[in-house]
Amino acid sequence: DTAVSQTPKYLVTQMGNDKSIKCEQNLGHDTMYWYKQDSKKFLKIMFSYNNKELIINETVPNRFSPKSPDKAHLNLHINSLELGDSAVYFCASSPSDLAEQYFGPGTRLTVT
Amino acid sequence: RKEVEQDPGPFNVPEGATVAFNCTYSNSASQSFFWYRQDCRKEPKLLMSVYSSGNEDGRFTAQLNRASQYISLLIRDSKLSDSATYLCVVRKYGNKLVFGAGTILRVKS
Repeated sequence: DTAVSQTPKYLVTQMGNDKSIKCEQNLGHDTMYWYKQDSKKFLKIMFSYNNKELIINETVPNRFSPKSPDKAHLNLHINSLELGDSAVYFCASSPSDLAEQYFGPGTRLTVT
Repeated sequence: RKEVEQDPGPFNVPEGATVAFNCTYSNSASQSFFWYRQDCRKEPKLLMSVYSSGNEDGRFTAQLNRASQYISLLIRDSKLSDSATYLCVVRKYGNKLVFGAGTILRVKS
């Protein structure tokens, strides 16, 4: 009965490849997020969706494209992966845009 | 200047000690404040919200000083299980949270 789940947990791939990370929440929340935590441990928001609509789009390369097929899912597709994309990517959700955010377990992406 | 600044530590303390973490934020228009906890290789989890009047949750006390743009977390009677990274978090506007880099706490027996 995991609240926010992500797949895969680990992803190792080569530069130039395209990959996707999936996120699902079974909490009935309206808002979902993608965060990136780099090697220096800074956690930065990338995107936020509210009821399948994009509401936050930080300065992120357009190689990153989020997709929300329904309000329980927010996937992240990354094109032409670069070494600097190596990080832990966390999905999160919240019942509304001002409420506590619940994080998924993270996807550790390594680009070689 | 970083939007949210914390002393990275590590703070190495014995069990039973009292330890305090501080955090400063740069945007005076920030609306809400939180402490999150992150265990090694795990996701962040909300520890507590921080209110202007100060608030307490068991062994944890959080305080906010809006004039100085300063947030603190006090942990009393430290337990081994308190070892983690403590993230100071500020909500700027809407649902955008800004995270500090975290303060590492190691509680030793």
